[in-house]
Amino acid sequence: DTEVTQTPKHLVMGMTNKKSLKCEQHMGHRAMYWYKQKAKKPPELMFVYSYEKLSINESVPSRFSPECPNSSLLNLHLHALQPEDSALYLCASSQGDRVEKLLFGSGTQLSVL
Amino acid sequence: AQTVTQSQPEMSVQEAETVTLSCTYDTSENNYYLFWYKQPPSRQMILVIRQEAYKQQNATENRFSVNFQKAAKSFSLKISDSQLGDTAMYFCAFMKHGGSQGNLIFGKGTKLSVKP
Repeated sequence: DTEVTQTPKHLVMGMTNKKSLKCEQHMGHRAMYWYKQKAKKPPELMFVYSYEKLSINESVPSRFSPECPNSSLLNLHLHALQPEDSALYLCASSQGDRVEKLLFGSGTQLSVL
Repeated sequence: AQTVTQSQPEMSVQEAETVTLSCTYDTSENNYYLFWYKQPPSRQMILVIRQEAYKQQNATENRFSVNFQKAAKSFSLKISDSQLGDTAMYFCAFMKHGGSQGNLIFGKGTKLSVKP
């Protein structure tokens, strides 16, 4: 298995909803990442987990809550989002010491109504 | 701070022809990586090619090659024998060697259309 799998592919939620995005890889990668990509913009880094510990939080609002329950799984919990949070959320992974070899998933397209 | 500039918002090329996408960057670092990523309509970010700054030899991957000019801080992508499947947004990106994990600095992208 040589890919990063993200579910769901599409998600529509209201501002009062709680939802979660899921990312999974079975390549033994020990670093996992969340990026946010607004329409017609490049991706922006949100969070980095290294060996299941949060190592980077790029000043992301607390309505986004990441979780890394094990080395293969990364979640992004969403609560009380705003319409401007609508975006493509990309997950990526890499071997712990080979950060230059990022492998991206296909993303979750999120719409907040 | 590092910056990446892609000066061509959109380009088009005829199938089977060659096209070059431009990228310049600014950094005071000496060791770093440069990347070209492709994002087709499916939205997945796909690595096209990677260049390590300490290597003078230009990277190549099949029909894709780069012209890396370190002194000029230029990193262009050449696509030979363009195919319809090459239609995508192309992002140039920079990563400092030994820097924060995953901290890719992206350009704004070039939308490439390959016409039959």
